Amino acid sequence: DAKTTQPPSMDCAEGRAANLPCNHSTISGNEYVYWYRQIHSQGPQYIIHGLKNNETNEMASLIITEDRKSSTLILPHATLRDTAVYYCIVRVYNSNYQLIWGAGTKLIIKP
Amino acid sequence: EAGVTQFPSHSVIEKGQTVTLRCDPISGHDNLYWYRRVMGKEIKFLLHFVKESKQDESGMPNNRFLAERTGGTYSTLKVQPAELEDSGVYFCASRPTGGNSPLHFGNGTRLTVT
Repeated sequence: DAKTTQPPSMDCAEGRAANLPCNHSTISGNEYVYWYRQIHSQGPQYIIHGLKNNETNEMASLIITEDRKSSTLILPHATLRDTAVYYCIVRVYNSNYQLIWGAGTKLIIKP
Repeated sequence: EAGVTQFPSHSVIEKGQTVTLRCDPISGHDNLYWYRRVMGKEIKFLLHFVKESKQDESGMPNNRFLAERTGGTYSTLKVQPAELEDSGVYFCASRPTGGNSPLHFGNGTRLTVT
């Protein structure tokens, strides 16, 4: 079973920041938080990952709470093309990458 | 760089027939993974190759599924004989060895068994 909990769906207005929460209260010290998304009819796409510090790349920012029990993915200026299912996954560093997927959050960006 | 490519994109076969899915990973990526999503369920891990060797095949559902990666380049996943419950989307992913590099996924093969 997935070690993360996400809301099943969210809406966001185009141009606004989309904030997607994830609960991973049983995360271990050596487990990273990864975010992927799946746009309809495409394969999953990597977004960002982190261990305990906040991370930012060209796609998004990842904010991890100090106790590491939850995190938030931030898409700073959402566009219609960001409509997708977003998956939050915890993974042990250097493990075999047997990712355990949950149901994710269906994010709908509205014009 | 070319991404992970999968062929065919769609396949419709009858129960009892054989189907072979192919995955071409990103050039130079030693690690190759197969995942699948069956109807209404979450994406599940099937197996992991490092070059031509099977590193972990704990997710393979049964012996009707056979994965190969001869020469450590492309991989095939054969289902023989196919059953109705094998319908779903089969994803292939690859990544280079070492570090914490993310998986790069292909767009999947949608398999329908009728």
